[in-house]
Amino acid sequence: GQQVMQIPQYQHVQEGEDFTTYCNSSTTLSNIQWYKQRPGGHPVFLIQLVKSGEVKKQKRLTFQFGEAKKNSSLHITATQTTDVGTYVCGVYTGTASKLTFGTGTRLQVTL
Amino acid sequence: DAGVTQSPTHLIKTRGQQVTLRCSPKSGHDTVSWYQQALGQGPQFIFQYYEEEERQRGNFPDRFSGHQYPNYSSELNVNALLLGDSALYLCASSATTGGDSPLHFGNGTRLTVT
Repeated sequence: GQQVMQIPQYQHVQEGEDFTTYCNSSTTLSNIQWYKQRPGGHPVFLIQLVKSGEVKKQKRLTFQFGEAKKNSSLHITATQTTDVGTYVCGVYTGTASKLTFGTGTRLQVTL
Repeated sequence: DAGVTQSPTHLIKTRGQQVTLRCSPKSGHDTVSWYQQALGQGPQFIFQYYEEEERQRGNFPDRFSGHQYPNYSSELNVNALLLGDSALYLCASSATTGGDSPLHFGNGTRLTVT
């Protein structure tokens, strides 16, 4: 079955530092979605990438889809304590209608 | 516009018992997916319901079963509970079964099996 690896599993940064998480697949993806899960909360949809090499921005968040559509990254510039949570990528593959999630990257931000 | 609602929020059961979790999808959504999330892990797909039928199933034993009603609400049933079934169970709804739909999650049911 489809496997999606995310790295790192955990990152602790000081407020103001940048943060990047990567999502990697062994197969070509049709699209990729990113979700944020606050501690004790549920995943909340952030964005979807569809095109090869696509880059999308949401304020301090930059999402990128690889040229080969096998990997993606989420970069946060100048982290804030409100960025704390787990960032999870989700992928649909082929004709499957199920969204498979990566293992997630837990971000901790301290002052 | 109500989002995805799940009940109960917390549940404690004993090994061997059976449990039923409930989910009402977001208004306008007709597809419901269930996920199991262990602590520190990403959500694991259990199954998906559309038009009252199970459309996709993840790598979960037959002890996990479900149902979808004509009003699109759904249930997840787990029989013969094991300690390893302790997890957060998330329900997610979407507007289609296609690959472009973002999922809207409920707050989840925290199941503890003792």
